[in-house]
Amino acid sequence: NAGVTQTPKFRILKIGQSMTLQCAQDMNHNYMYWYRQDPGMGLKLIYYSVGAGITDKGEVPNGYNVSRSTTEDFPLRLELAAPSQTSVYFCASSYSEVKDTQYFGPGTRLTVL
Amino acid sequence: AQTVTQSQPEMSVQEAETVTLSCTYDTSESDYYLFWYKQPPSRQMILVIRQEAYKQQNATENRFSVNFQKAAKSFSLKISDSQLGDAAMYFCAYRNSGGGADGLTFGKGTHLIIQP
Repeated sequence: NAGVTQTPKFRILKIGQSMTLQCAQDMNHNYMYWYRQDPGMGLKLIYYSVGAGITDKGEVPNGYNVSRSTTEDFPLRLELAAPSQTSVYFCASSYSEVKDTQYFGPGTRLTVL
Repeated sequence: AQTVTQSQPEMSVQEAETVTLSCTYDTSESDYYLFWYKQPPSRQMILVIRQEAYKQQNATENRFSVNFQKAAKSFSLKISDSQLGDAAMYFCAYRNSGGGADGLTFGKGTHLIIQP
């Protein structure tokens, strides 16, 4: 099992550009999550999904979009990149809700200049 | 909304000694889950230990144990026999046990330094 994988590892964007952060898991987990981690802070939830075709907003969803067409993949889309979106982005997954451990990917470091 | 507070931005301990990291949280729920995650320089988030609020017994995982005080809303992590590989950021996290799949609420983290 590869677990949770994320691509790319690093990316630099110009203001106004768009990009998609990829996330995939091979553990047959139903639940997937996107978090962002700003310098010196804990992680904050951007979006989550409870299964294919179902997504919902977290604490900081503005400026992002997600889709979940398969159980394995949960891409995060930035449409018009802004400097405030400079952060490290983590994808996570769990088999079920609440009590199950969330497994995290290695993160994507994004810089918007 | 729930909040998680880690009041120690940085802690330092001698190798082989014991260190305790503090965490407090605020919630109106009676049933929930608490976690400690470790984040080494590689950035990978690694689960260290988990506590279910309805269980009175403190969770332990080898050298890691917690002191869970539900009434005080306190959830500290004790690392015994500290090793150089324990050096990392440690995050305390909270999750409701109710319906829905909302994610974890994290504290700001404590940077743990291990002195050889």
